[in-house]
Amino acid sequence: GAVVSQHPSWVICKSGTSVKIECRSLDFQATTMFWYRQFPKQSLMLMATSNEGSKATYEQGVEKDKFLINHASLTLSTLTVTSAHPEDSSFYICSARPGFSYNEQFFGPGTRLTVL
Amino acid sequence: AQKVTQAQTEISVVEKEDVTLDCVYETRDTTYYLFWYKQPPSGELVFLIRRNSFDEQNEISGRYSWNFQKSTSSFNFTITASQVVDSAVYFCALSERVGTASKLTFGTGTRLQVTL
Repeated sequence: GAVVSQHPSWVICKSGTSVKIECRSLDFQATTMFWYRQFPKQSLMLMATSNEGSKATYEQGVEKDKFLINHASLTLSTLTVTSAHPEDSSFYICSARPGFSYNEQFFGPGTRLTVL
Repeated sequence: AQKVTQAQTEISVVEKEDVTLDCVYETRDTTYYLFWYKQPPSGELVFLIRRNSFDEQNEISGRYSWNFQKSTSSFNFTITASQVVDSAVYFCALSERVGTASKLTFGTGTRLQVTL
């Protein structure tokens, strides 16, 4: 149990286009979902926290107009990278926290974004 | 603010050697959780262990063992008789309550290379 999926697993896009990444909790309801970004050979950095039905909370330094997060249901959160540029190329990982567990997060497999 | 330090950036060992990965954390909270994750080249995070701040008992799981010492704010991870399949990046993380939410802070990771 406690499986989180991400789609797509990788994407290549042209500079200036927008890319949407989906994160789904497959067998549990996620009251909170998190989005992380990981540059090569670096750690995971939390970008934002989203709760179902409310606006996401962004970490300092993360542009909320560039990284749009929508937590539309208890099993789905989306991250849209708007007007992507090469510096946005990274590994994006989502995680989901079930309502029954305060401190557990289940991680998705990640999405590798390459902006040309 | 919470902080996790993994001083070892890279470690190389020969198969069957034992290896210890260090993790030191900082937090003001009395209630917190510590985690270890493995990230193989595929990128997907693999959960290894969760430990709460009230449980200082050491844990062993097969070739893996963890030593939690509150007095030194350390949560070290030992792999006994390492194998090539253990090659990965290992992250230590700290979960701490922030307001009504919890937040996971990752260390910078230790890259373990196990060779024949």
